[in-house]
Amino acid sequence: SAVISQKPSRDICQRGTSLTIQCQVDSQVTMMFWYRQQPGQSLTLIATANQGSEATYESGFVIDKFPISRPNLTFSTLTVSNMSPEDSSIYLCSVGDSTEPNSPLHFGNGTRLTVT
Amino acid sequence: GENVEQHPSTLSVQEGDSAVIKCTYSDSASNYFPWYKQELGKRPQLIIDIRSNVGEKKDQRIAVTLNKTAKHFSLHITETQPEDSAVYFCAASRSFQKLVFGTGTRLLVSP
Repeated sequence: SAVISQKPSRDICQRGTSLTIQCQVDSQVTMMFWYRQQPGQSLTLIATANQGSEATYESGFVIDKFPISRPNLTFSTLTVSNMSPEDSSIYLCSVGDSTEPNSPLHFGNGTRLTVT
Repeated sequence: GENVEQHPSTLSVQEGDSAVIKCTYSDSASNYFPWYKQELGKRPQLIIDIRSNVGEKKDQRIAVTLNKTAKHFSLHITETQPEDSAVYFCAASRSFQKLVFGTGTRLLVSP
């Protein structure tokens, strides 16, 4: 499966600031997704990162709060804007194995964000 | 949209016993059902998946069964070992990509 590098692995940020999380894959992949995992909870899809076009956001998530970039088939960023303590979570990048449309999803190691 | 329920939330077994985790889904168009294992502080890892055209799939001590009519699927772990202790998540999807996850099951295997 594709090797997914996500950084930073963790960060502690002050409320009102923004953090950009990077996801780098060692091979071209069609689908990239961003998930959020709140402490002790399940995974919730934030958005689909579309290469060359605007991301597709799930209900409850908006572009102004979570802007996403996807400049090519191996890289994406998620920004958490104007952070509050409620944004403290693990943010996970997820990709399919390849450019095949029906390849299983794998996750990066995640970014553990704490907002004080 | 899709809704996935998962039971039980916690499961404690003795080493060597079997463990079964069950999930139900709401969207009859869902056709892909993966299971992920997440150890403490680590990323979710895909352990097995099943497509809607298959009723059962097995990989060593792990098996997954799917009942499309009832819209439920289950993970079966036989001969459990302490290293099987983790949180397990089921998920469902209309495609292979946009996954909706269950709430998770914390499995504890005692030596």
